[in-house]
Amino acid sequence: GDSVTQMEGPVTLSEEAFLTINCTYTATGYPSLFWYVQYPGEGLQLLLKATKADDKGSNKGFEATYRKETTSFHLEKGSVQVSDSAVYFCALSVGGTYKYIFGTGTRLKVLA
Amino acid sequence: DTEVTQTPKHLVMGMTNKKSLKCEQHMGHRAMYWYKQKAKKPPELMFVYSYEKLSINESVPSRFSPECPNSSLLNLHLHALQPEDSALYLCASSQGPELAVSYNEQFFGPGTRLTVL
Repeated sequence: GDSVTQMEGPVTLSEEAFLTINCTYTATGYPSLFWYVQYPGEGLQLLLKATKADDKGSNKGFEATYRKETTSFHLEKGSVQVSDSAVYFCALSVGGTYKYIFGTGTRLKVLA
Repeated sequence: DTEVTQTPKHLVMGMTNKKSLKCEQHMGHRAMYWYKQKAKKPPELMFVYSYEKLSINESVPSRFSPECPNSSLLNLHLHALQPEDSALYLCASSQGPELAVSYNEQFFGPGTRLTVL
């Protein structure tokens, strides 16, 4: 079945460090891929998305490239800030369904 | 308006109470969702409404009863809940199936934090 695997957290970084959160997927068909962010006590916010292979999603300094050959959608940011501390969810949506498959989430803590 | 709103923000109820959660969107989306999220876990899909009709029920206990009065509103009626039902309840919406469902970008509300005593 379809699935999303994210790296285990928590990830703790110093401010201005480089961030990578790994996400790999298995899916039948051609999924769309998403990164959502959840700040403490809040709902999920869409961070970025990619709908086909080699698409690069970007937003607020975060980037992720849809790699079909490695079935990956890793999240990166060149310089994290304390305000980036949150839980990050990778998700996929397969055409023809309403369902999202979420990864387990990766908690990021950025220290000043 | 690209916002999904949910009320109330917090809810505490006893196991014999009846309460309702409300969700609203004005983006013209025709699909609306209820999710349950436990601490440190991803959201779990409960229900999907498409064009105001129940499309998916993920084998949710009958003490949870969804309702979609119109294309902008989604309710979740709660009755005789158990303490293990305490969680964050998230509502989401997305465009309808006449568009490419593979581009199923869901917009989430801030959630209702439910505590069952």
